[in-house]
Amino acid sequence: GEDVEQSLFLSVREGDSSVINCTYTDSSSTYLYWYKQEPGAGLQLLTYIFSNMDMKQDQRLTVLLNKKDKHLSLRIADTQTGDSAIYFCAEWYGGSQGNLIFGKGTKLSVKP
Amino acid sequence: SQTIHQWPATLVQPVGSPLSLECTVEGTSNPNLYWYRQAAGRGLQLLFYSVGIGQISSEVPQNLSASRPQDRQFILSSKKLLLSDSGFYLCAWSGGNGVMNTEAFFGQGTRLTVV
Repeated sequence: GEDVEQSLFLSVREGDSSVINCTYTDSSSTYLYWYKQEPGAGLQLLTYIFSNMDMKQDQRLTVLLNKKDKHLSLRIADTQTGDSAIYFCAEWYGGSQGNLIFGKGTKLSVKP
Repeated sequence: SQTIHQWPATLVQPVGSPLSLECTVEGTSNPNLYWYRQAAGRGLQLLFYSVGIGQISSEVPQNLSASRPQDRQFILSSKKLLLSDSGFYLCAWSGGNGVMNTEAFFGQGTRLTVV
């Protein structure tokens, strides 16, 4: 079946850049997403990228997509303690009647 | 604007008791609706999705069921809870009028602890 893989933990210092990586298996995915989950809360859509794009930038967030390698990354510039959360990579699978396939999430810890 | 409501936020239930989690969406019509479960160390797993009233697709065999009695209402149920049903349950919606069908929005989640 479809699978999305990402590393489980990342620790950075405040002010540094964070890079969270993700690989996916469905080469026909049209949209790929990054969600953020703060403790005890639901998922917040951070950003998404269409599969015909290589890069998307939104303020401190940069998404890079390597479609050939099926690799997606999220870069957070000037990481703050408020960025500490679990970040989920997801791909849309199954067209208009489909659903999101999620990775297990990367827990980002930001140290002061 | 569209909003999604999910309740309760936390729930502690004994093994063998029934379960009913409710999710409602406002501000859109005919959305796709989803129930996901997040278990410790296992990421997010799609449990059920619905493309219309009374239409439910189950992704994994389990002790749970879902129903969609109204267009914007999605209910997750169980007749007898198991310890393994503990987890964080998330309702989500996508599509509907004027919203791209490949973007999903999530409720705040229900933390279920079965004791």
